[in-house]
Amino acid sequence: EPEVTQTPSHQVTQMGQEVILRCVPISNHLYFYWYRQILGQKVEFLVSFYNNEISEKSEIFDDQFSVERPDGSNFTLKIRSTKLEDSAMYFCASSELGQGHGELFFGEGSRLTVL
Amino acid sequence: AQTVTQSQPEMSVQEAETVTLSCTYDTSESDYYLFWYKQPPSRQMILVIRQEAYKQQNATENRFSVNFQKAAKSFSLKISDSQLGDAAMYFCAYRVGYNQGGKLIFGQGTELSVKP
Repeated sequence: EPEVTQTPSHQVTQMGQEVILRCVPISNHLYFYWYRQILGQKVEFLVSFYNNEISEKSEIFDDQFSVERPDGSNFTLKIRSTKLEDSAMYFCASSELGQGHGELFFGEGSRLTVL
Repeated sequence: AQTVTQSQPEMSVQEAETVTLSCTYDTSESDYYLFWYKQPPSRQMILVIRQEAYKQQNATENRFSVNFQKAAKSFSLKISDSQLGDAAMYFCAYRVGYNQGGKLIFGQGTELSVKP
């Protein structure tokens, strides 16, 4: 069964460092998303991406964040200068063109720890 | 703005018993989807069940069923014959229907524990 894959599964970084989280969405999907979940809290929307541009972003997604689809398969989230409060699980998701059954398919997440 | 509310932070059920998790939402849209996602300790998000708002019939997936009350904007999840593997965080989620790339909006989650 097709799945969304994310790397790395866990990354530890020092405050102020740049981090890139990578995602390979399901191959025939055209809508891509990043979500964040701080430990013990709800899953928060960061950004959606379609046709090589941002469709929608939340207030969390400030200038420190950027997304890119550098080739035909990868979808990346970059955090330019990490803060302690960026420590969270980051989920990538994708959905297909047309409504299908409407659901988003999630990767297993990338745990980011900022020290 | 659309919102999703889960008023039960924690629930507990005895193995083999039935439990119902509550969810309410607020929207002015008529076309939308509702979902329940399960998040086990591994923290992966697993789709449990979906409901299209235009369908009057409540969705069912094996031991999982929903009670969708559109007028009341209520979407509860019933788990029958609870199993130890059902222990997880459960998130209710909403997605507008007409916007093909629309985001998923999650509730706060309900932590379900299953007692042997």
